[in-house]
Amino acid sequence: DVKVTQSSRYLVKRTGEKVFLECVQDMDHENMFWYRQDPGLGLRLIYFSYDVKMKEKGDIPEGYSVSREKKERFSLILESASTNQTSMYLCASSYWDRIIHQPQHFGDGTRLSIL
Amino acid sequence: AQSVTQLDSQVPVFEEAPVELRCNYSSSVSVYLFWYVQYPNQGLQLLLKYLSGSTLVKGINGFEAEFNKSQTSFHLRKPSVHISDTAEYFCAVTRVSGGYNKLIFGAGTRLAVHP
Repeated sequence: DVKVTQSSRYLVKRTGEKVFLECVQDMDHENMFWYRQDPGLGLRLIYFSYDVKMKEKGDIPEGYSVSREKKERFSLILESASTNQTSMYLCASSYWDRIIHQPQHFGDGTRLSIL
Repeated sequence: AQSVTQLDSQVPVFEEAPVELRCNYSSSVSVYLFWYVQYPNQGLQLLLKYLSGSTLVKGINGFEAEFNKSQTSFHLRKPSVHISDTAEYFCAVTRVSGGYNKLIFGAGTRLAVHP
């Protein structure tokens, strides 16, 4: 079974802190994704990576950065956390497909609160 | 650009009753369509997808969806629901073209199955 593991289920941080959210997948997937989930808005893509050290901006990259130094690990970084970044964050992965590259396997999410 | 509208934010239903979760999309180009399910306190799982071919798509857990190009709809159905189907369901769309195209999610529909 594919496993996408997010390092924390719940996280509480203060405004201005630098926050790291970690995600690891065990299926050698090429693609990894970070989404933000807010009530009434569905999921919005923050960043996408299709290979080590490669990244693409999603719909809402402002205030976030990512790192992919190893194939299995994709980190989301909040450079200076703000209260409007309080949300549920979901990591996902998928294999590279000639036709389609959409997320297939999701982690259980990290509920981040910024105080 | 593509967009997705899930017409019902909440759908209450009794156990063993049929259910339909409605999804309409907007796009000027051909699309791929998806349904994801999110059980409480979990990440999303891919329920089914339409890429091409038969417009009736069967997914996991007895769900199916029908692609209707003229109505620009992709409604999800199940003939008899169980308590365990209580979850949030997300419809999503992406354009058909080369390279990576972002998946656009609807706002979600909460299905509540009552005994």
